[in-house]
Amino acid sequence: AQSVTQLGSHVSVSEGALVLLRCNYSSSVPPYLFWYVQYPNQGLQLLLKYTSAATLVKGINGFEAEFKKSETSFHLTKPSAHMSDAAEYFCAVSEGFQKLVFGTGTRLLVSP
Amino acid sequence: GAGVSQSPSNKVTEKGKDVELRCDPISGHTALYWYRQSLGQGLEFLIYFQGNSAPDKSGLPSDRFSAERTGGSVSTLTIQRTQQEDSAVYLCASRIAGGTDTQYFGPGTRLTVL
Repeated sequence: AQSVTQLGSHVSVSEGALVLLRCNYSSSVPPYLFWYVQYPNQGLQLLLKYTSAATLVKGINGFEAEFKKSETSFHLTKPSAHMSDAAEYFCAVSEGFQKLVFGTGTRLLVSP
Repeated sequence: GAGVSQSPSNKVTEKGKDVELRCDPISGHTALYWYRQSLGQGLEFLIYFQGNSAPDKSGLPSDRFSAERTGGSVSTLTIQRTQQEDSAVYLCASRIAGGTDTQYFGPGTRLTVL
């Protein structure tokens, strides 16, 4: 079965600093990979997705992620954090066409 | 509609009661999913509907949980004889078709079992 590991349940950065949220996956077939963001008391919003096209994927709000097959990673980055980026971020892998398998999430804290 | 909608947004019930949670997917989306988000278990898949095919129920945690989708649109998740461990946020998502297409999530229903 496919799985996702997110290192760090909490990540703290200062406003303007680089954001790096880590995601490693396990899959025996080429995966589809996703990053979702969840703001307090809201549902999940798609940030970006990898579907075997370009390995560097650009998403909304200035986020991007790079698929590295050799490292089985799909880390999320943003060059400069904004206060509004504070939220919980979930990495997910698509298992066939049926369901998403999520990581445990990383809460991003942004300080002024 | 503009997005996936769910009702109610919050539900408080007593242990042992039955509850029904509703999901209205995006119009034209043939695939519908239910997930559960809880503190101890994170985000878990519950059930998946695709068109007229038999649903994938492999994520349902017990036979107290069931779901149906009427007319290929609205779905209802039913939990019978609720237990305190059922307290969670229940999220619904829908997708057009194809494995690469995005799942769009609703705002969720927060269920509290007293």
